[in-house]
Amino acid sequence: EVQLVDSGGGLVKPGGSLRLSCAASGFTFSTYNMCWVRQAPGKGLEWVSTISTTSTYIYYADSVKGRFTISRDNAKNSLYLQLNSLRAEDTAVYFCAREGEFYASGNYYKGLDYWGQGTLVTVSS
Amino acid sequence: EIVMTQSPATLSVSPGERATLSCRASRSVTSNLVWYQQRPGQAPRLLIYGASTRATGIPARFSASGSGTEFTLTIRSLQSEDFTVYYCQQYNNWPITFGQGTRLEIK
Repeated sequence: EVQLVDSGGGLVKPGGSLRLSCAASGFTFSTYNMCWVRQAPGKGLEWVSTISTTSTYIYYADSVKGRFTISRDNAKNSLYLQLNSLRAEDTAVYFCAREGEFYASGNYYKGLDYWGQGTLVTVSS
Repeated sequence: EIVMTQSPATLSVSPGERATLSCRASRSVTSNLVWYQQRPGQAPRLLIYGASTRATGIPARFSASGSGTEFTLTIRSLQSEDFTVYYCQQYNNWPITFGQGTRLEIK
């Protein structure tokens, strides 16, 4: 059974740092791109970052670029998100998600097919 | 950045009826469009990929269509568990962007 377990959230002061983790099991972690998506309280979904299988390609939303760092350890089946210089607007539930690849109608498509349960990050003084 | 606009923000439909949700992209995303369902307190669930293909385990009452900039998610014979929030997402261009969501409520 595919499982993603998010952890590491908590209360942090503005300007502080936090490291989120996502433990993966039930699939060959090293063969999937992974990403982080966040959701502010009562708001919609916001993509944060994506990392390719071997960490060769990394992408960030402009809202977190230069402050957040995504990484992975394929030997430990783990995904990470280092959050630095945190702001009140970073308060959200952070989900890790697996980027599935699907074949249909002669083409390959993507979608986030498995998600962690989310970990809450609260930035407040 | 491609802006995804979902309409309506809230849709009121009676159980057993059909709901039609729309998603519009600010420029073409070809068929690189995904739909998710999110129930309260839960992570999103993949419904549709490639604009029109149901993900594994998704009931046939869910269907979707569209390409380019206009997309539709249709849910027929609405069940109680279908009344929740739906998001579209494009991954044709970086950054990946989501629509703001449509809340489907019981009429």
